[in-house]
Amino acid sequence: KQEVTQIPAALSVPEGENLVLNCSFTDSAIYNLQWFRQDPGKGLTSLLLIQSSQREQTSGRLNASLDKSSGRSTLYIAASQPGDSATYLCAAQEYGNKLVFGAGTILRVKS
Amino acid sequence: DVKVTQSSRYLVKRTGEKVFLECVQDMDHENMFWYRQDPGLGLRLIYFSYDVKMKEKGDIPEGYSVSREKKERFSLILESASTNQTSMYLCASSPLPPQQSGNTIYFGEGSWLTVV
Repeated sequence: KQEVTQIPAALSVPEGENLVLNCSFTDSAIYNLQWFRQDPGKGLTSLLLIQSSQREQTSGRLNASLDKSSGRSTLYIAASQPGDSATYLCAAQEYGNKLVFGAGTILRVKS
Repeated sequence: DVKVTQSSRYLVKRTGEKVFLECVQDMDHENMFWYRQDPGLGLRLIYFSYDVKMKEKGDIPEGYSVSREKKERFSLILESASTNQTSMYLCASSPLPPQQSGNTIYFGEGSWLTVV
């Protein structure tokens, strides 16, 4: 059974820092890996999707990488801003569009 | 824009009550999902559906059932609510059939359910 782990569970950084969020998964037979953002009391917003044949995806200040063989993905946030404060979730997509989620990383960017 | 609407944002129900959580999507998506989210546990899949009148169990289906009579609507039913079902419930939809991959999934805003 697929298990997804995110490290760290929480992170507090000053504005402007570059930071890395980590995600690991136990079964490398995934279709893709997605990163989501969740603001308090809200639903999830998709940030980046990396297909299994890809190594990375970029969107603005966000860059996500995928290493299927080692079961790891990282989300890199450049020049962090207070507006980046949220919970970040990674999810491994299995057959049938089923997503297995990690518990998330709570990010706080201090101004 | 794709919209997934959960009609009830906040509910308080008594133990033993039957509870209906409704979800509607407006993009003709085949796939719909119900997750629950609890602190420290992330999102866990309760049920999903690939088509009208079709449903499959997720990882934690016990105590829940679902209904999909129309393509745009997917309902989660708690037959007899219990306090351990207090949680945030998230509905989602996606546009692909199960054989394909590479597309994303759209979530509703969530329904906060408290069972007392």
